[in-house]
Formats: sequence, C-alpha cells, structure tokens
Amino acid sequence: QVQLQESGPGLVKPSETLSLTCTVSGGSISSFYWSWIRQPPGKGLEWIGYIYNSGGTNYNPSLKSRAIISVDTSKNQLSLKVSSVTAADTAVYYCARAPHGYNYIFDYWGQGSLVTVSS
Amino acid sequence: QSALTQPASVSGSPGQSITISCTGTSSDIGGYNYVSWYQQHPGKAPKLMIYDVTNRPSGVSDRFSGSKSGNTASLTISGLQAEDEADYYCSSYRGSSTLVFGGGTKLTVL
Repeated sequence: QVQLQESGPGLVKPSETLSLTCTVSGGSISSFYWSWIRQPPGKGLEWIGYIYNSGGTNYNPSLKSRAIISVDTSKNQLSLKVSSVTAADTAVYYCARAPHGYNYIFDYWGQGSLVTVSS
Repeated sequence: QSALTQPASVSGSPGQSITISCTGTSSDIGGYNYVSWYQQHPGKAPKLMIYDVTNRPSGVSDRFSGSKSGNTASLTISGLQAEDEADYYCSSYRGSSTLVFGGGTKLTVL
C-alpha cells in the first residue's frame, strides 16, 4: 500500500522560503506524476504543480514562479519550495500521486502538513 | 486562475438524492472530459470519488455518479447516508497541463 508523508517546518516568516518534503513508502516514486496541493484554513483546494520522473514540471500560473518541485529518487522523496511567502501562503500542504496514465487526478494523498506564515 | 464555481452548501435527508454542480468555462470543463470529484471529511485528506466525468475508482460506492453538460459538471449522490456528510470538490483539466479546483460544497445530511 502506497503511503505519503509530508514533513517540514510548521512556521515560516514572511518573505522567507517554505520548504516541505514528501516521503513515499510502499512503492516507487518513478514513472508517476506527483503533485503538491494546498488548502488554506477553512477554504478550498489549490493545485500548486507537478513533477514527473525527476524532470518534467508544471506549475499553477497563480504562484507566479515562486514554487519549485523536485524529486530525489534515491530517497523516494519529493520536495516543494515556495519563496517570498506571505500570510496568504498559510495552508495545509498535501502531496499526492496520480495513477499511471494520468497527471490530473490523485489516488493517493499524504495526511497534510500545516504551514503558518507569521513573524 | 479562477476557481470553478460550486454551491457553498447542499443538504438532504437520508435516502434522498442530491446533486452538486460545478460550473467552469469552455477552457476547462467544457473543453475536456477530465472532470474529477473529491470527498473530504474534516481533518482528512481528500478522496477521489469520480474521474473523467463519469468513472468511479475501485471501491467507491455506485451511489456516486458524475455527469457533464456544456460547461457544467455534476455529482449526484443517491440513497444519502450519514457518512456522506463531507465537503466535495470538483476539479478540471484546464489546458497547458494545468488543473483547477472548485471552491467546495459542504454536504449536510439532515
């Protein structure tokens, strides 16, 4: 059974960079699309972007190039960095996997990691 | 990037059927058969309920069904049960390999 676990600092200061890691167990990270999705408290979901096979990435234009997703296949981990954060970036951040042949639906999700942006 | 439009809330009694709408544009829902629906219980991660407009993943009850007409997609839940009370989100492919979600609908089972 594939399991995803997000980890990272729960508190980030404004203007700094948010960094999260998603560790994948029970399956290989290779040959799948992996996405980051966030959810501000009490609000809806927002797709941040995806990465495929350590190379191809695509991002939500609304983040204005502040997000970077990368993969470390040796550790079976993917990472997210969001630069120049503001209070609007406060959210629960999820990593999620798309099943084979898809990049826009998610069959496995992490439990989520709350990141608060505050001084 | 504007979200898809969903009603904030819907409600129904046990055994009844409800439908949640999700309205987009010809650039997302209307242009592709790539609409998905997720169920989210409080404090939990979303769960995929419908994909490609009408398909149910293995293990999802056949009480859940999806459809689409023009720029609007719909999720119908028949035979409402207490456990169906949750937030529901639609999503759609939007071209250029991007994805957009709806604002979410809170389903209350009376």
